[in-house]
Amino acid sequence: DGGITQSPKYLFRKEGQNVTLSCEQNLNHDAMYWYRQDPGQGLRLIYYSQIVNDFQKGDIAEGYSVSREKKESFPLTVTSAQKNPTAFYLCASAEGGETQYFGPGTRLLVL
Amino acid sequence: DAKTTQPNSMESNEEEPVHLPCNHSTISGTDYIHWYRQLPSQGPEYVIHGLTSNVNNRMASLAIAEDRKSSTLILHRATLRDAAVYYCPYERGAQKLVFGQGTRLTINP
Repeated sequence: DGGITQSPKYLFRKEGQNVTLSCEQNLNHDAMYWYRQDPGQGLRLIYYSQIVNDFQKGDIAEGYSVSREKKESFPLTVTSAQKNPTAFYLCASAEGGETQYFGPGTRLLVL
Repeated sequence: DAKTTQPNSMESNEEEPVHLPCNHSTISGTDYIHWYRQLPSQGPEYVIHGLTSNVNNRMASLAIAEDRKSSTLILHRATLRDAAVYYCPYERGAQKLVFGQGTRLTINP
């Protein structure tokens, strides 16, 4: 069954801690994206990658980092520099200018 | 700053048509217009997209204004399962989608 998986569904972060959100896709898509969604708001682009070993900053990249070592994986690390990390994080993938398909999301909460 | 604008909320009755408007006044000539919908605590679901011509699929129809500064998503016969937040992002190069705040659609039985 093809699709995008995100884990965990819920993640708790302590002060000063880095946490990593997982995103995996088996759709063989070249492009992958990370978005942040705050309550009652639309999605904002954090990082995107159009090909393996390459990625670019989106509109709100500060306090986040990514890697793209494999085509199917695009993990997002929320660093301690991100002072307001509580949000719903969504991963998406797309192929060649076509539609983006979204994962189920990870909700990050700060303890 | 580039963005889309939509009404915060709309309400309709089951089995009636629904027309959801969207303004994207800063869109460029090659940016596709997309529509997604989102249920609470879920990822957005693709609905439809287009460039210049009106588009139809099994879920909905998309009407695009001639100047492309606005579009309308048409649900021909709303069901309770169509209740969601609807977004009309447009592409800003490299398939980067620009989202607004969306329209919360309520369907009355």
